[in-house]
Amino acid sequence: DQQVKQNSPSLSVQEGRISILNCDYTNSMFDYFLWYKKYPAEGPTFLISISSIKDKNEDGRFTVFLNKSAKHLSLHIVPSQPGDSAVYFCAAQAYNFNKFYFGSGTKLNVKP
Amino acid sequence: NAGVTQTPKFQVLKTGQSMTLQCAQDMNHNSMYWYRQDPGMGLRLIYYSASEGTTDKGEVPNGYNVSRLNKREFSLRLESAAPSQTSVYFCASSETSYNEQFFGPGTRLTVL
Repeated sequence: DQQVKQNSPSLSVQEGRISILNCDYTNSMFDYFLWYKKYPAEGPTFLISISSIKDKNEDGRFTVFLNKSAKHLSLHIVPSQPGDSAVYFCAAQAYNFNKFYFGSGTKLNVKP
Repeated sequence: NAGVTQTPKFQVLKTGQSMTLQCAQDMNHNSMYWYRQDPGMGLRLIYYSASEGTTDKGEVPNGYNVSRLNKREFSLRLESAAPSQTSVYFCASSETSYNEQFFGPGTRLTVL
């Protein structure tokens, strides 16, 4: 059973607008969450992370929000740019698990 | 500083053939991982090595073996390839098992 879920396989957004990518998890022991970005024919690259002691973390145009009670996190990209078009994976881990659990990914298309 | 390197980039095998995928990292990371990526399935963990000298099964270990040769290198072996193992394979490393992972460029494997 998937412990990390990204229920939207794809998202299309106009350049300059906000992109919101969502991720849900089931394991209440998860306490560290990451977002990765993946271009075709390349490996994923780390984008931003958040610890469960915070509910928001910001890095430039990227902000991750964590709602622990809802077991939900989201990635906001503002403003979206065509170069942001990629597949985005969320991942989660509990401190003593030694491994991350990945969602199935959301393909973002930012239209010029 | 090459990061994580994987060889080969592409491989075609016949059912029943064996092969080893090689992975090396030059970041002095303790933890290394092998994932496979299939359409709609995201990244699934095959095996991981939390530290030199240890290896553990991930979500989908059947049909694979691994060797943590030293701190730098972590290889994945298919003893008898099957068409179900057609996938893109990614190697990753991290400073510890609780840090963000750095991914290699991937190996695209086709089993006929």
